[in-house]
Amino acid sequence: EAHLEESGGDLVQPGGSLRLSCAASGFTFSNYAMTWVRQAPGKGLEWVASISGSAYTTFYADSVKGRFTISRDNSKDTLYLEMSSLRVEDTALYFCAKDQHDIPSEYFDPWGQGTVVTVSS
Amino acid sequence: EIVMTQSPATLSVSPGDTVTLSCRASQSITSNLAWYQQRPGQAPRLLIYDASTRATGIPARFSGSGSGTEFTLTVSSLQSEDVAVYYCQQYDSWWTFGQGTKVEIK
Repeated sequence: EAHLEESGGDLVQPGGSLRLSCAASGFTFSNYAMTWVRQAPGKGLEWVASISGSAYTTFYADSVKGRFTISRDNSKDTLYLEMSSLRVEDTALYFCAKDQHDIPSEYFDPWGQGTVVTVSS
Repeated sequence: EIVMTQSPATLSVSPGDTVTLSCRASQSITSNLAWYQQRPGQAPRLLIYDASTRATGIPARFSGSGSGTEFTLTVSSLQSEDVAVYYCQQYDSWWTFGQGTKVEIK
């Protein structure tokens, strides 16, 4: 059974940087695209970024383009989200989730439990 | 960007009721729609994909319908464990979510 576990969330000052990780198990990681979705406190879900299984293709929401970088290490079955120039509005619970194909294209299943990022001075 | 609009924002129901949640897309997404359940303090869980296909392990009381721009999630014989926020998500063009419908017990 596929399982995802995020880590790396923290309190960071505006303008700062942070790297999130998502450890995957229970499936052949390199065969599937992966995605980050975030949820601001008390709010809904917002797609952030996706990456293909090969890491060749990446997609970003306009709200994070140029500031966030999604990457993966298929030898370690781990997904990353490098976040820089952080803003107060980036404060959220960040989930990683598995796509259904090697190219980002469909729905997300399963999801990890999330890691909290707080951007505040 | 395709905007997803869910209604109502909140539903107050009694155990055993049948509830119907709506989701509308700002343009046609054919059947490229998923529904997720997010219980308090938990991660979202996939319920339905391709508008009407139940995900593995999802009880038969959950059903989805619709195509194009209008979609519905129906929960039959609601149970206390179904208290949650339900989100629709389109994957026809990029990925966007509705704002959610909160289902609570009266």
